[in-house]
Parts: sequence; structure tokens; C-alpha cells
Amino acid sequence: IAGITQAPTSQILAAGRRMTLRCTQDMRHNAMYWYRQDLGLGLRLIHYSNTAGTTGKGEVPDGYSVSRANTDDFPLTLASAVPSQTSVYFCASSDSIGNSPLHFGNGTRLTVT
Amino acid sequence: AQSVTQPDIHITVSEGASLELRCNYSYGATPYLFWYVQSPGQGLQLLLKYFSGDTLVQGIKGFEAEFKRSQSSFNLRKPSVHWSDAAEYFCAVGHYNNNDMRFGAGTRLTVKP
Repeated sequence: IAGITQAPTSQILAAGRRMTLRCTQDMRHNAMYWYRQDLGLGLRLIHYSNTAGTTGKGEVPDGYSVSRANTDDFPLTLASAVPSQTSVYFCASSDSIGNSPLHFGNGTRLTVT
Repeated sequence: AQSVTQPDIHITVSEGASLELRCNYSYGATPYLFWYVQSPGQGLQLLLKYFSGDTLVQGIKGFEAEFKRSQSSFNLRKPSVHWSDAAEYFCAVGHYNNNDMRFGAGTRLTVKP
């Protein structure tokens, strides 16, 4: 089934540890995004990539990094996790950056202790 | 930057009753507006979108929304709610590219039998 696959589904992580959240899409979409979802705040954009080889900062990029080596993969890395990064993380994609609909993965629930 | 307000955190309606979820946006130019739905443990799914033209837009699952520029609103409606509509609903506003999209905090819908 075409779509976005995120891994892991959930993770408990000790503060200070490094963690990479994986995201793979098989729709050949050009643009990909990482959001975090927090109660009462909705979804906030962390980083985005308009096409393979390029990335940009969203609304809340601090403490996170991304790479886009190819069209399909868009990993999100927390270099040194902190408790405020406890959240649900969603990867999304769209076939263009021009306000075409976003397609979301099922999310990764991350708890930083 | 644009912003979105969803005034109702939680709404409960009886099955078969009508539904209206409110969304107000702040944006200086003509906005691109979206409604997404999120079922528990899932990512977001697009219900409908407004870019231009007819201010009443139809979406999936029997939902519709009306863009009212004078009120800066984009309220979501459904004439008769089904138990399967219980979910969280997010309004989003964007400009000419998805990198600028902003989501509201969400409205959780409970459907009573």
C-alpha cells in the first residue's frame, strides 16, 4: 500500500541520547516535512525539504536536524534529546510545495526521560 | 505569519445531529485553507481544501466548509454525524507553499449514541 512509513512507532529515550526517527515514502513526492504534535498546540513544522538534496527550517527547528539524500527518505535526528522533545512526531509528504495536500504517516510517539 | 484559531477544544454531539466546527484564521492575503481529520493513533487525512472560486467546498465523508472572508472563517459542517466521525479535526492555513502552513490546536469530536 502506497504511503508513508515511520519507525519506530514509539520510543522511550534517556535525556542526552541521540535518536533518529525514520521516514520513508513510496509516492515519489518531491516535498517532505516533519511536524511535532503537542496537546493544545496542534502541529508545528520542524523541518522541511522541497526536493532531494535541499532542506529548510520550519517553525520549531532547534534541537533537530534532517537530511534528504534521496527522494524517498527523510530522517529526523535529535542529537542530544531533552524532555521538552517529548511529543508525537509526524512525517508528511506532498507532490509539490504549492499547497498540494499533505500525506501523513502514522506518527512516532517519543518520550524523553 | 498566518495563524489559525479553533475556539472549541472539545465538542460532543449526538449521532444524527448536525455539526459545525469553527475555524478562524489570520492572514494578510488570500489564504489557502484546509481541514484535516485525525483518528486515534493515526496520521492526519485531508477532508477538504479551499484555494479559490466557490466559497462552499465539498469534501470527503459528507463534510463541507464555507469560506467567509468578511469573518476570516472557514467553518466545517456536516448535516448528520455518524459515530465513526469521532476524531480530532484540524484547520490549517497556508500561502503559496506548504512550508508556511499553520495548523490550529484541533477540536476533538465525541459522538454520543
